[in-house]
Amino acid sequence: RKEVEQDPGPFNVPEGATVAFNCTYSNSASQSFFWYRQDCRKEPKLLMSVYSSGNEDGRFTAQLNRASQYISLLIRDSKLSDSATYLCVVNPSNYGGSQGNLIFGKGTKLSVKP
Amino acid sequence: DTEVTQTPKHLVMGMTNKKSLKCEQHMGHRAMYWYKQKAKKPPELMFVYSYEKLSINESVPSRFSPECPNSSLLNLHLHALQPEDSALYLCASSQEGIRTDTQYFGPGTRLTVL
Repeated sequence: RKEVEQDPGPFNVPEGATVAFNCTYSNSASQSFFWYRQDCRKEPKLLMSVYSSGNEDGRFTAQLNRASQYISLLIRDSKLSDSATYLCVVNPSNYGGSQGNLIFGKGTKLSVKP
Repeated sequence: DTEVTQTPKHLVMGMTNKKSLKCEQHMGHRAMYWYKQKAKKPPELMFVYSYEKLSINESVPSRFSPECPNSSLLNLHLHALQPEDSALYLCASSQEGIRTDTQYFGPGTRLTVL
């Protein structure tokens, strides 16, 4: 099983649609979880951290299910500018000490059409 | 200000050249990272510096040599590269380098090895 798995897409949706991305991770001791977005030929940019209680930022909602080792991102009322690749990112460190090793999923490509 | 800067933006080099990539951040972050990203793939971690000491080297070939002259700067020295080393090289930084840190990425250097 890969460490972080995502549906590669592409997801082609009309403006205003609601779209959901899913991600699973293999290391049950993983400590922190993030969604990044990456535009073509640009660097990854943090979209949001993901907490067990779930968190929402405007049109974006992230959920974490530790029991199922599953992370989700919901985008409501999608805009043309949401078109990008969405990367599920996990810090799998499960030992003492301070390490910031991130494991990236392969990304899900979203294309929002007018 | 969550800015990480990288120079140069683009670099073309021959297999016998020696060049360096530079990364800078002024956020007071104490952990800095080098990643390599090939087209349509997620970033792959190369090196981690924590408090100016190399803490992770992900079995990177010795033709890549990192250097952290101070807490704000990170260099990647390149020598005798191969065409397959052509990629986007991303620098990132985070506050402490601990498991729950958020990493902020620079815009990257797009490297082509002829």
